[in-house]
This record gives sequence, structure tokens and C-alpha cells, in this order.
Amino acid sequence: QKEVEQDPGPLSVPEGAIVSLNCTYSNSAFQYFMWYRQYSRKGPELLMYTYSSGNKEDGRFTAQVDKSSKYISLFIRDSQPSDSATYLCAMSRDDKIIFGKGTRLHILP
Amino acid sequence: NAGVTQTPKFRILKIGQSMTLQCTQDMNHNYMYWYRQDPGMGLKLIYYSVGAGITDKGEVPNGYNVSRSTTEDFPLRLELAAPSQTSVYFCASRRPGRINEKLFFGSGTQLSVL
Repeated sequence: QKEVEQDPGPLSVPEGAIVSLNCTYSNSAFQYFMWYRQYSRKGPELLMYTYSSGNKEDGRFTAQVDKSSKYISLFIRDSQPSDSATYLCAMSRDDKIIFGKGTRLHILP
Repeated sequence: NAGVTQTPKFRILKIGQSMTLQCTQDMNHNYMYWYRQDPGMGLKLIYYSVGAGITDKGEVPNGYNVSRSTTEDFPLRLELAAPSQTSVYFCASRRPGRINEKLFFGSGTQLSVL
């Protein structure tokens, strides 16, 4: 079983829709949870970061962590074509940062 | 600040050749990482380092070697290149500490082994 599981998609939604992206993990040692966004041919950039169960909001983005279920989510409200990218969940334990496969998201104008 | 700089940006190797991917950062970050990203896939951790002289294996270390003689540089060595090592390689760095988890990435090295 992989430590971090993420559906690679692709996921296509119309502009303005709410997007839900998810990851599950198997190792309870993971302490910190992140979402990175990667545009084509670029390095990933940090979007959201949290270390506790619950919700964290930043503008149109909400990160949710449920440690009891080993499940994390990223919600994007009022999605825009510029949100089209690959979204990677990432988790850290000890000094390692482990990434999911990434979900390719397409926002249709 | 230039951030994280990777060289070269592109390289084609023949099977069995060796090469070193260079990575340098000017942010005085202790922690540095090497990832590979296969087409349509996420990032897989190859090696990481928490400071000069200290390195450790990640998820997929076989076929690679690293060294960390300075805080700034973290080169990745490929010995006896194989087609399975065709990938995009990203170097990243961050500050130490429990709340400084943001990784700063380089622009990547696209490597093809033919």
C-alpha cells in the first residue's frame, strides 16, 4: 500500500463550480499536510499548509484534514480557468516530504 | 536571490553513461531534496539532506548517489544511466523547523536516457 494515495484524474469542471480534491494516507506518523499547485513544465508551488485536523481557509481555497480517517481535502470555490493545473497533496514525517500522484484539473470556460 | 538553481535544463544520455545534476540554493536553507517526476505522475523522493555532510535515502534511491559538502550545493549523480531514469528531476530546499515546511523548487532538469 502506498503511503499517499491521490486520484490522478483528469477532473474537468465548468467555471464557477466548487472543486473537491482529495488524498488518503496510510502512515499515522505524517504530521503536516500541504497542497501544491503545478503548472505545466514548472516546479510545484505551495498553495496551502496545515498541521492539525479541521479546516483552514485562504481566499477561495479551503484545506481540510481529518486525521482520524487519514483523509485530506482541498476545496476551490468559484473556480477559474486560471486554476487549471495539477494539484499535488504532500505530507511530511520526520524530515521527509512525500507527495501524492497529483490530480490534473481542467476548468472549462 | 536566485532561489534554487538547477543545471542543466535538458540532457540526453546514452544507456550506461553517467552524469551529475547540479543544484544550488542561495537562501541558506539547511534542508535539500531531490525528486523525480515521471510523465503524468507525482513527485517521488530520491534523496534528501538536512545539512552539510548528512544525506539519507528517500523512496526511490536506487541508481543514484548524492553528496552534500556545502550548505548551498546538493548534486545528484547518476551512474550507469538506464531508460527507467528518463524523467524530470526537481531539486528543492526549505528551512528547518516544524512550521517551515514550504519547499522552494528549482525549474527542473528534463533527462532522457536512450
